[in-house]
Amino acid sequence: QQQVKQSPQSLIVQKGGISIINCAYENTAFDYFPWYQQFPGKGPALLIAIRPDVSEKKEGRFTISFNKSAKQFSLHIMDSQPGDSATYFCAASKGSGAGSYQLTFGKGTKLSVIP
Amino acid sequence: DAGITQSPRHKVTETGTPVTLRCHQTENHRYMYWYRQDPGHGLRLIHYSYGVKDTDKGEVSDGYSVSRSKTEDFLLTLESATSSQTSVYFCAIRPSSGTDTQYFGPGTRLTVL
Repeated sequence: QQQVKQSPQSLIVQKGGISIINCAYENTAFDYFPWYQQFPGKGPALLIAIRPDVSEKKEGRFTISFNKSAKQFSLHIMDSQPGDSATYFCAASKGSGAGSYQLTFGKGTKLSVIP
Repeated sequence: DAGITQSPRHKVTETGTPVTLRCHQTENHRYMYWYRQDPGHGLRLIHYSYGVKDTDKGEVSDGYSVSRSKTEDFLLTLESATSSQTSVYFCAIRPSSGTDTQYFGPGTRLTVL
């Protein structure tokens, strides 16, 4: 059972455009939702994270939107640049109970930003 | 890279041979994790450790064992490697008991022929 579903699998955006990646989760006990960015040959790097007590978090050109009732969250990359071309993973974890602090990952989205 | 090193970075081995991957951290973090990454599957947790000699299974632990005899090292062992274990393996640390965030190492690419 896949607990975090991520879409789309791949995304092509023109330079300057907005990239949007969506994730949906099933486990209502999840209370931490990070996004990771991964370049080829490198480990995933934390990009931005949110908790369900806020509906939006912005850091520079990166914004997470969170909809608790729909159990969905999304990453928006404004003014996308070729340097943003990477694979992005959403994830979720819970802070208590069995399996606490274990990250469950989506399957990833490969973003290509074309000039 | 949160002070995490992984060794080897690349390894090619044959089916049936034992393989040990090493994760080393320099900042005395209590929590350490091993993941595998495969195309179309994202990252999946293999095993994790919450202290010296304290380990537990993750989602895809079959065929893997781990050991942690000192804080800085977390070893992942494939007792008898199979082609299905060809993957990229990542180690991660979680800085403290009150933090959800995990930081990842650079990865080890393992090919089992």
